[in-house]
Amino acid sequence: VQLVETGGGLIQPGGSLRLSCAASGFTVSSDYMSWVRQAPGKGLEWVSIIYSDGSTSYADSMKGRFTISRDISRNTLYLQMSSLRAEDTAVYYCARGDDGRGIDYWGQGTLVTVSS
Amino acid sequence: SYELTQPLSVSVALGQTARITCGGNNIGSKNVHWYQQKPGQAPVLVIYRDSNRPSGIPERFSGSNSGNTATLTISRAQAGDEADYYCQVWDSSTVLFGGGTKLTVL
Repeated sequence: VQLVETGGGLIQPGGSLRLSCAASGFTVSSDYMSWVRQAPGKGLEWVSIIYSDGSTSYADSMKGRFTISRDISRNTLYLQMSSLRAEDTAVYYCARGDDGRGIDYWGQGTLVTVSS
Repeated sequence: SYELTQPLSVSVALGQTARITCGGNNIGSKNVHWYQQKPGQAPVLVIYRDSNRPSGIPERFSGSNSGNTATLTISRAQAGDEADYYCQVWDSSTVLFGGGTKLTVL
């Protein structure tokens, strides 16, 4: 199992960015996939989850600004982020897991910096 | 909304036992998972569903969960155990993390 995030970078406040997470060794559509972020020097903060049935859930501060999705043909998870703010600056991790086994696989993370 | 409370820091002497707590209202009714994170690295699952160890995690790591407190116990602490530790639960289709505990091995 491997998760590889891409798409991070420097973006101006108010801008948009799409993160990708390429999965291998398993099928993203058959599993629970989450995005978790970590601001510099801070703790882990859950962002969003997409369940195997395709339903989604978001942390309150991301609702309406972030959209999680997946591409079955590419076996890839996405996070579309819009109306970005300075406080969205963080390392964003793609992760797999559920309540039965915990979050058992994590990507290496991709850094998003929101700054003018 | 549900909250998880962890101590900011815990210290333990080399070779002794460290206990990191995670408090939450009736947390004993939930599955608690624990993660270890070293600087510059992604988190690693060390305990899942209260007390289960993933393959590759030493037996020195154990967990318990009852009432309003879940506990991660690290026996015979080693210098390599120095890290941040996070508890995590699922609550109403959302994922919650505790604030994290920095473990220092003296």
